[in-house]
Amino acid sequence: GAVVSQHPSWVICKSGTSVKIECRSLDFQATTMFWYRQFPKQSLMLMATSNEGSKATYEQGVEKDKFLINHASLTLSTLTVTSAHPEDSSFYICSARDSIGGQFYEQYFGPGTRLTVT
Amino acid sequence: DAKTTQPPSMDCAEGRAANLPCNHSTISGNEYVYWYRQIHSQGPQYIIHGLKNNETNEMASLIITEDRKSSTLILPHATLRDTAVYYCIVRVTGNQFYFGTGTSLTVIP
Repeated sequence: GAVVSQHPSWVICKSGTSVKIECRSLDFQATTMFWYRQFPKQSLMLMATSNEGSKATYEQGVEKDKFLINHASLTLSTLTVTSAHPEDSSFYICSARDSIGGQFYEQYFGPGTRLTVT
Repeated sequence: DAKTTQPPSMDCAEGRAANLPCNHSTISGNEYVYWYRQIHSQGPQYIIHGLKNNETNEMASLIITEDRKSSTLILPHATLRDTAVYYCIVRVTGNQFYFGTGTSLTVIP
């Protein structure tokens, strides 16, 4: 089946620094990837839709200058949390939609990245 | 915004069928119903999806009412490894998924 990986799986950073999270589709091409955030005991919240070769579309209330998304290739999207603060500590999950071989609307999720800002 | 309503939690005895309900009364005619589950601290796992016909795969069955306003996910023989949060999602235009609160299923030995 289609596999999506994320790197790193967990990261601890100091307040004020930036952190980059990678999302890769390992065995399929993904023109569209999605980024979610999940706080403890809460559901997944869609942050943005990432389209290869174009600017990401952010959900209402998500700061695009704080959460920088780059989708430079058909297999890689990155999320950079800039000037991180403790309230940005969360579980960040990406998903990818198979552009060619899969069900048109099916999304494959990565394992998530646990970010802790101290 | 989430367009589904699910009970917050359910228990099921191991080996018995787990029936997880979902209400999606505002669903449009061309919107699919998807089910995913999330085991603690992992990414969501796809289970099944459907439009208006009942569906079955190796993991589960999906029963959609004729008016499509609700559906039920059935795990025919629940095991301890099925303990997870189950999300019912109605796919909106643009292919985004908006997750609701989900149902936390606990399978009891």
